[in-house]
Amino acid sequence: DAMVIQNPRYQVTQFGKPVTLSCSQTLNHNVMYWYQQKSSQAPKLLFHYYDKDFNNEADTPDNFQSRRPNTSFCFLDIRSPGLGDAAMYLCATSRGSGEETQYFGPGTRLLVL
Amino acid sequence: GQNIDQPTEMTATEGAIVQINCTYQTSGFNGLFWYQQHAGEAPTFLSYNVLDGLEEKGRFSSFLSRSKGYSYLLLKELQMKDSASYLCAVRDAWNSGNTPLVFGKGTRLSVIA
Repeated sequence: DAMVIQNPRYQVTQFGKPVTLSCSQTLNHNVMYWYQQKSSQAPKLLFHYYDKDFNNEADTPDNFQSRRPNTSFCFLDIRSPGLGDAAMYLCATSRGSGEETQYFGPGTRLLVL
Repeated sequence: GQNIDQPTEMTATEGAIVQINCTYQTSGFNGLFWYQQHAGEAPTFLSYNVLDGLEEKGRFSSFLSRSKGYSYLLLKELQMKDSASYLCAVRDAWNSGNTPLVFGKGTRLSVIA
């Protein structure tokens, strides 16, 4: 089945220790998104790629970086995680034309100790 | 600016009908989405409206009035498994293939016996 996959589902890291979250998709969608969602809050867009074009939200901290080496994969790098970065990180994809329904992966829950 | 409002919590009885409202103020409009999100899981797509009127899909229906900046999600024959958060999201630009969605904070629905 075509889908969006995120690994790992749960990630524990130490304060200040770099961590990378991964997302892959078999939908062959042009657009990939990374959202941060804290408890009882709306998903907050961090950045997105349209093909190789990177779009950073104005209020995304510099601590967050992203890479998209090919159509299928996208990575979220948190260079120096703080306690406030503990959250669910959601990857989503969309075709990039027309309706723009976004399809979400299962998410990675990050815990910072 | 962008603002999406929906009630924080709702409770309804199994077998009943519930309507979840969403109002939005965005600089543009190019579609409104409803997502269901169970606790600790990723959002899953429920419905999409871009024209005024009602879209029906099984037990779920979604309505849109663009002039009023208003939508609702109607859930019929409620089941216990419908207990979840329901997110309203708007795409606020015209004819743009990669404009991200703006999400509301979600309405937490509890279905009781």
